[in-house]
Amino acid sequence: QVHLVESGGGVVQPGRSLRLSCVASGFTFRNYGMHWVRQAPGKGLEWVAVIWSAVSNIYYAESVKGRFTISRDNSKNMLYLQMDSLRAEDTAVYYCVRDSDNGNYHFDYWGQGTLVTVSS
Amino acid sequence: DIQMTQSPSTLSASVGDRVAITCRASQSISSWLAWYQQKPGRAPNLLIYKASSLDTGVPSRFSGSGSGTEFTLTISSLQPDDFATYYCQQYNSYSRTFGPGTKVEIK
Repeated sequence: QVHLVESGGGVVQPGRSLRLSCVASGFTFRNYGMHWVRQAPGKGLEWVAVIWSAVSNIYYAESVKGRFTISRDNSKNMLYLQMDSLRAEDTAVYYCVRDSDNGNYHFDYWGQGTLVTVSS
Repeated sequence: DIQMTQSPSTLSASVGDRVAITCRASQSISSWLAWYQQKPGRAPNLLIYKASSLDTGVPSRFSGSGSGTEFTLTISSLQPDDFATYYCQQYNSYSRTFGPGTKVEIK
């Protein structure tokens, strides 16, 4: 079955960087678009970024554009989120999420999330 | 970006009740709408996609309707396992947006 496991979360100071990873299993990773979605404590869901199965298509939320970079390694079934210039408002649980197709459809599987806390 | 709103923000209901949650988009999204259920401390779970298609394994008491800018999630007979927060999400544009959520509480 589909399994998504995030790692890399933790406590980081404002202005610093952090890289999240997600290992995927149970499906042909290269055939699917992948997203990052976050949820601040006690708040709703916010889409962060998508990388299509055709890696040439990458899109970001305005709130992270220019600071975050999404990437993937299809040979390792891995998804990444490089987060630079972190701010307090980036504090959230970050979910690795599979698109139901190439990257332009609904989300069908979610990881359990990894918590990022930005605090001095 | 397309803005999504939901009403009500909180819904108090009893087991066996029929409940409906409304989701509105700031512009037409055709039928490119999904509904997710989230329980405390857990990741969201897909219920409905393309406005009215039930995901595999989702109980038939859940149904979705609507197109364009107005959508509804209906639970025909509320069960104890259904007390949770529900989010709508549009995927008409590459910049995805979620509604703010509707919390379904026990009355």
